[in-house]
Amino acid sequence: TQLLEQSPQFLSIQEGENLTVYCNSSSVFSSLQWYRQEPGEGPVLLVTVVTGGEVKKLKRLTFQFGDARKDSSLHITAAQTGDTGLYLCAGNINAGGTSYGKLTFGQGTILTVHP
Amino acid sequence: GAGVSQSPSNKVTEKGKDVELRCDPISGHTALYWYRQSLGQGLEFLIYFQGNSAPDKSGLPSDRFSAERTGGSVSTLTIQRTQQEDSAVYLCASRRLAGDPKQFFGPGTRLTVL
Repeated sequence: TQLLEQSPQFLSIQEGENLTVYCNSSSVFSSLQWYRQEPGEGPVLLVTVVTGGEVKKLKRLTFQFGDARKDSSLHITAAQTGDTGLYLCAGNINAGGTSYGKLTFGQGTILTVHP
Repeated sequence: GAGVSQSPSNKVTEKGKDVELRCDPISGHTALYWYRQSLGQGLEFLIYFQGNSAPDKSGLPSDRFSAERTGGSVSTLTIQRTQQEDSAVYLCASRRLAGDPKQFFGPGTRLTVL
């Protein structure tokens, strides 16, 4: 059973297009993080969201956490070739208290932006 | 150091041999995590340390896998009698404080079992 469903699995677009990646679960997350990973490297943290309904922007990237804290989306505006990579969502499920345990990862989205 | 470091970056071993993978977390980070990334399984949790204790070992796939953390800093993941299915990238992450959810990853160790 996959606790975090990420879609689409593959995305191939032209430079300048917009795209959205989705991350959904039936579980409530106390926090959710988005990472970007390039070949041969570890995941790099892009953003952390903790409050239901929260929206965070990082240049051309917009991250949203669902009101019920069960889903999230990553929207990229005017994609560039440098955005190419593996995007991963990951969440802490019902950590409770003030401590956070393991991350549960989605399957990942491989994004290719063509010039 | 500035970030999480892992060594070796690549390890090739023969089936049945033991291997040790090392993780140096970001200085001052209290929590440390090991994950495994493989093509078929994605990124999977292995074990979590808070200080030197391991409150969650639920992801270790078999008793051939063990990990320790000493001095609240460096951690070693040991795989005994390696099998071909152990081939994967082993990633380490650290987190600063109990109330901060952000985890920062190292570059990983690519393990190949022949």
